[in-house]
Amino acid sequence: EPEVTQTPSHQVTQMGQEVILRCVPISNHLYFYWYRQILGQKVEFLVSFYNNEISEKSEIFDDQFSVERPDGSNFTLKIRSTKLEDSAMYFCASRREEGMNTEAFFGQGTRLTVV
Amino acid sequence: RKEVEQDPGPFNVPEGATVAFNCTYSNSASQSFFWYRQDCRKEPKLLMSVYSSGNEDGRFTAQLNRASQYISLLIRDSKLSDSATYLCVVKGSNYKLTFGKGTLLTVNP
Repeated sequence: EPEVTQTPSHQVTQMGQEVILRCVPISNHLYFYWYRQILGQKVEFLVSFYNNEISEKSEIFDDQFSVERPDGSNFTLKIRSTKLEDSAMYFCASRREEGMNTEAFFGQGTRLTVV
Repeated sequence: RKEVEQDPGPFNVPEGATVAFNCTYSNSASQSFFWYRQDCRKEPKLLMSVYSSGNEDGRFTAQLNRASQYISLLIRDSKLSDSATYLCVVKGSNYKLTFGKGTLLTVNP
């Protein structure tokens, strides 16, 4: 069964460092997302991406964040200068088409720990 | 009012019990509705979409009331494997999914 894959599964970084979280969406999917979940809190939308551009972003997705689809298969989230409060589980998701109830498939997540 | 609000829980029920989860959403323009489940430290996984006519999938029944902006999930004959956090998810006219905080269910033997 096709799945969204994310690497690494766990990333530890020092405050102020740049991190890149990687995702390989399902191959025929067209819509891509990043979400995050701080431990014990709800899943929060960060950004959606379609047709090689950002469709929507949340207030969380400030200038420290960027996304890229560099090669037609990977979808990356970059955090330029990490803060302690960026520690969270980051989930990538993809969706095939923009139908009414089409399912978004989530990757297993990258646990980011900023120390 | 929170965008998506769920019963705070947690729910602890014995095997075989029937349990109901409730959810309300604030944006009347919301288009699609889902229940996801999330196991501890895992990704959310779709349990079922929710349709206006109501829908059933085995032991699970989902209902949507657009006028009240209310969504429900009923689990009958609960199993140990149903233990998880149940997430109410709403998709608006844009591309994003908005999640509720989730309700933790523990089914006890």
